Amino acid sequence: AQKITQTQPGMFVQEKEAVTLDCTYDTSDQSYGLFWYKQPSSGEMIFLIYQGSYDEQNATEGRYSLNFQKARKSANLVISASQLGDSAMYFCAMREMNYGGSQGNLIFGKGTKLSVKP
Amino acid sequence: GAGVSQTPSNKVTEKGKYVELRCDPISGHTALYWYRQSLGQGPEFLIYFQGTGAADDSGLPNDRFFAVRPEGSVSTLKIQRTERGDSAVYLCASSSWGRGEKLFFGSGTQLSVL
Repeated sequence: AQKITQTQPGMFVQEKEAVTLDCTYDTSDQSYGLFWYKQPSSGEMIFLIYQGSYDEQNATEGRYSLNFQKARKSANLVISASQLGDSAMYFCAMREMNYGGSQGNLIFGKGTKLSVKP
Repeated sequence: GAGVSQTPSNKVTEKGKYVELRCDPISGHTALYWYRQSLGQGPEFLIYFQGTGAADDSGLPNDRFFAVRPEGSVSTLKIQRTERGDSAVYLCASSSWGRGEKLFFGSGTQLSVL
């Protein structure tokens, strides 16, 4: 079963506007972490933002914020004031705690391609 | 080094050949991960090391794939009898210990099997 679902293969946004990229996840663990990564056309994976399952407040990092709705198992990324340089693939990912408390690997969704229009 | 280093950046090989891909993680990072990314897809987990041992190798697709990290730093991903379907970008990442620790990725090795 797919653990990370990103339902938007592609999104367009006008420069300077805000955009929300959707992500839902599936886990039976109580302790897990949620991540967003950006992958420009150059190929490198760039960490954007992290949300822990026990964090009560939504994470924010500059223009990025994570809209965490635990009951709905959603972790949407909000980018405010879009810039042309934001055009890239965006991946949502989850890390579960393995049995015994060790950290698990990072599981990625299929990604959303964001295109920012001038 | 400052970041995760992967070599080579590109590797072209013929079907049936053996290849080795190298990853040099960030100094001090105990966790090391290998992922495979096919065109238009998200990274797919292959194997995860904590120190020298493979903590989780459930993502390796078959016994042609093997990875080592003998001294707890540099890791080598080894693919035997390569097939055209192995063509992909192989990404390495490292992190410190901790559930919330982010993964730092290398630039990847583009493997092309002809």
